[in-house]
Amino acid sequence: AQTVTQSQPEMSVQEAETVTLSCTYDTSESDYYLFWYKQPPSRQMILVIRQEAYKQQNATENRFSVNFQKAAKSFSLKISDSQLGDAAMYFCAYKRGTGNQFYFGTGTSLTVIP
Amino acid sequence: EPEVTQTPSHQVTQMGQEVILHCVPISNHLYFYWYRQILGQKVEFLVSFYNNEISEKSEIFDDQFSVERPDGSNFTLKIRSTKLEDSAMYFCASKRGSTGQWGNTEAFFGQGTRLTVV
Repeated sequence: AQTVTQSQPEMSVQEAETVTLSCTYDTSESDYYLFWYKQPPSRQMILVIRQEAYKQQNATENRFSVNFQKAAKSFSLKISDSQLGDAAMYFCAYKRGTGNQFYFGTGTSLTVIP
Repeated sequence: EPEVTQTPSHQVTQMGQEVILHCVPISNHLYFYWYRQILGQKVEFLVSFYNNEISEKSEIFDDQFSVERPDGSNFTLKIRSTKLEDSAMYFCASKRGSTGQWGNTEAFFGQGTRLTVV
């Protein structure tokens, strides 16, 4: 069974600093996708970044980047130059290549300190 | 930008009552989902729906639950006889496709309906 683990229920970062959110997953599949979603308070989850398992290169989207360690089944999110608007719950998610279901972690609540 | 909309944002219901949660997925999407998140726990998959039928469901999605796409735009989740443990945030999501060029695309989520069973 696929499981996604986020071991940090809460994190905080000073504005303009860098923070890394951890995520590990368990799967026996070789074809899968990984996602980080952001959920601001009272708002919908929106995609931050995605990574295809077959790609060795780490995905980046502006200030957001991932450290994808396939052998270790680790998928951490790095937020550089943190901004107040980055404060949100962050969910790591996994999807099998041929499946439709997304598996989520418990989330990490990120606080950005001015 | 198109988005998934859910109504109501908060629903309070008495134990044993039926409740229907409403969702309008993004119009050209083909896959629809319901997830729920009990406070402090992970977001759990309930059901996926494609081509007017359930494609996958979890153990949580028992006979008390049903889904429907009554008119080609709405996607509803019905809980027939609510229990206290059904209290959770319920998220609807939709996705453009599943395979080929759509295989790696994300699901788009609504902002959720908070269901409180008293």
